[in-house]
Order: sequence, then C-alpha cells, then structure tokens
Amino acid sequence: SQKIEQNSEALNIQEGKTATLTCNYTNYSPAYLQWYRQDPGRGPVFLLLIRENEKEKRKERLKVTFDTTLKQSLFHITASQPADSATYLCAPSPGAGSYQLTFGKGTKLSVIP
Amino acid sequence: DTAVSQTPKYLVTQMGNDKSIKCEQNLGHDTMYWYKQDSKKFLKIMFSYNNKELIINETVPNRFSPKSPDKAHLNLHINSLELGDSAVYFCASHRGGQTEKLFFGSGTQLSVL
Repeated sequence: SQKIEQNSEALNIQEGKTATLTCNYTNYSPAYLQWYRQDPGRGPVFLLLIRENEKEKRKERLKVTFDTTLKQSLFHITASQPADSATYLCAPSPGAGSYQLTFGKGTKLSVIP
Repeated sequence: DTAVSQTPKYLVTQMGNDKSIKCEQNLGHDTMYWYKQDSKKFLKIMFSYNNKELIINETVPNRFSPKSPDKAHLNLHINSLELGDSAVYFCASHRGGQTEKLFFGSGTQLSVL
C-alpha cells in the first residue's frame, strides 16, 4: 500500500539555523509533491509545489528538492525564525487527473530563539 | 472575505445524535473535499466532489453523508455519532486539475461525549 513518512514528528532548531524536513514515500510514483504549513487550530496552508521533472524549487527562504530515484523530498527553511514554528505536511500526488491528495503525518518544527 | 468557510467552529454533542457541518467556498472552484484530522494529527481524505458529483469516497462509515447542493457548497451530515468520530474536520477546495493546490477551511472541532 502507499505510504508517506515524514522523518520525525518533532524537530527543534535554533533560530538562524537551517531546518531540513524529510518526506519519503513508497509504492507511489507521484507526478508532483506539495508542502503545506499548519498552525494550531488552523487549516493547512499551501507553501510550494514541485513537479517530478524539477529537482529544486525556491520561494524566499524556502527550498524544496524532489528526488524520484530516492523517492524523497527535502524541505529546507534557511535563517529560521520563531515564526516558522508550525507543523509541515508533505503531500505527493499521482497527478494524471487524480483528485486525491494524501498527506503525511507532518513534522512539528519548533524554532527556539 | 474568507475563501473557504465552515461552520460551526466547535461542535460538542452526545453519542447517538445527528449533526451537520457546512462548508462554502467563494473561490469559484470546481472541486471540494472533506478531510478528517484525528488526535494524532493525521489528515485523511474522506470525500471529494467535482461539480456536485461525488468522485472520491474513501472507506468511511455510511453514517457520514456528504451533500453538495451546488459547486460552492459541500456539507457533511453525520448520523448516530460515536465517540470515535471526535476529530477536527476540514473542508477544502481547488480549481480542478492535477496540479492545483488545496485551500482549506479553518476546521470544525467535533467532540462526541
């Protein structure tokens, strides 16, 4: 069965450092992969989408990589700030007209001042 | 204006009752979803509607019945509520097409006593 694993449930990091979150998937061949941020008591908010033919995508302090050989996506936040503290969810999608977006369990990031 | 709004925000009820959660999106999107997020924060898809037509129906008890009166609305009715139904329910929408990001509502926290 399809499986999505995000490296750890919780990640603590010092302010100013780079946070790296991992998303691994098995029994999947996603055409693209999305990352979302979820704050307590709120719905997930879209951050970035990367397609299978893209190796890397950047948006301000965020960078996402997508390695279809390793079946892995890495999500980096550079110069992390306490305001970056949240849960980050990855969501690989089969594409090809699929309407089903399945989420990993998320990694709760805490940036310590 | 809120893009995806769901009501109520909180719902506390007794076992055996019937309740409904309403969702509306003002984005002009064609596709709407219900997701369930349990106590372990795992976000799981329940249903998806595209232009008022049911396209995804995951393994959900038939006590849960979605209704889409038009493509801007997707309501969720739950009969004979059980303790295990306690969770946060999120409505989401997207424009349609495989690469579209999801827009989520702020969630309905359902507590069954």
